[in-house]
Amino acid sequence: ELKVEQNPLFLSMQEGKNYTIYCNYSTTSDRLYWYRQDPGKSLESLFVLLSNGAVKQEGRLMASLDTKARLSTLHITAAVHDLSATYFCAVDGGGGADGLTFGKGTHLIIQP
Amino acid sequence: DTGVSQDPRHKITKRGQNVTFRCDPISEHNRLYWYRQTLGQGPEFLTYFQNEAQLEKSRLLSDRFSAERPKGSFSTLEIQRTEQGDSAMYLCASRGGAQFFGPGTRLTVL
Repeated sequence: ELKVEQNPLFLSMQEGKNYTIYCNYSTTSDRLYWYRQDPGKSLESLFVLLSNGAVKQEGRLMASLDTKARLSTLHITAAVHDLSATYFCAVDGGGGADGLTFGKGTHLIIQP
Repeated sequence: DTGVSQDPRHKITKRGQNVTFRCDPISEHNRLYWYRQTLGQGPEFLTYFQNEAQLEKSRLLSDRFSAERPKGSFSTLEIQRTEQGDSAMYLCASRGGAQFFGPGTRLTVL
């Protein structure tokens, strides 16, 4: 059974600081995804990582993938309040199904 | 707006009633997915379709749950004899590279 673990599950940080969210998964997978979810809202796609060593950046967010370590990171640079949200990583596969297996999410609060 | 749409956005029902939710995917996407999300958790995969074929349904939570996509366009998710534990957000997604999620249907079972 595919398992996806994120840490930390909760993070409170100040504006201007840097931090990293970690996502570990238990079996080989083709793709890793990062999503953002605001309270009461649906999920917004941030990044799709397709291969070992993939790195993608959008604004203050940068995601990377190490398939050998089965690890992805989401790095936040110089955080701003607008980045406060819950961030999920998700992996393809698990039991032969094509659905995504999600982590529990990292609830991020960025304080002025 | 050409994103994934879901209807209704909110549904309140009494225990034992049947409910049906609709999802309209992005038009050029032939894969459609249903997920359930409970408070404080990540979405949980339920089932998916490629065109009209339901290729995975073993993850449906019980035999009270069923889904259809009769013409390969919109899909419906039905829950029969609802229980309070069915209260959750039901999300639909369609795939083009990433999976793009709709706004969800929030179900409350009283």
